[in-house]
Amino acid sequence: NAGVMQNPRHLVRRRGQEARLRCSPMKGHSHVYWYRQLPEEGLKFMVYLQKENIIDESGMPKERFSAEFPKEGPSILRIQQVVRGDSAAYFCASSPTTDQPQHFGDGTRLSIL
Amino acid sequence: RKEVEQDPGPFNVPEGATVAFNCTYSNSASQSFFWYRQDCRKEPKLLMSVYSSGNEDGRFTAQLNRASQYISLLIRDSKLSDSATYLCVVTGNTGGFKTIFGAGTRLFVKA
Repeated sequence: NAGVMQNPRHLVRRRGQEARLRCSPMKGHSHVYWYRQLPEEGLKFMVYLQKENIIDESGMPKERFSAEFPKEGPSILRIQQVVRGDSAAYFCASSPTTDQPQHFGDGTRLSIL
Repeated sequence: RKEVEQDPGPFNVPEGATVAFNCTYSNSASQSFFWYRQDCRKEPKLLMSVYSSGNEDGRFTAQLNRASQYISLLIRDSKLSDSATYLCVVTGNTGGFKTIFGAGTRLFVKA
């Protein structure tokens, strides 16, 4: 039973480009969460999705960031026109229900040149 | 006041020591509680769920005190491999679903 799969593991972009981060939840999990972590800082919640629906996006910047979880395929976190401050580790987690623990992927390390 | 608060540490303890971490939460309607550990530059991994009755897993014991709104983690007979950051996690459904991660408590276990 594969765990949460994120790709790519590392992503390098130049300022102004777009970054697309992918997350396939564990089998049987319909709830997906995205978090951002800056070096030496804690996890910051960004967005929570449940198949085709955004349930809570209160932690996601209103501009340049978007997330989706289509009926088929992985969840995508998209960052448009990236800036240096977007450099961070982005973790995806999934759970079968909201009151069960979340399981994390290995993360995507995004570096902006 | 932060929704979930932890002492950032670091806690520096010798091997074999017993160490305890506390975590306080502000939302009395919070429903589920967990402890995760995170090693440097790695993903958080579930350590244990926390139940009202308390639960134990080997050297680790977690407890929940709803009246005082805190959860605790006790590690007995610390090992070098216990060195990590321990994250307190609180979830609830009030005003929309929310999962809040504490900023973490750093533990260093030394030989």
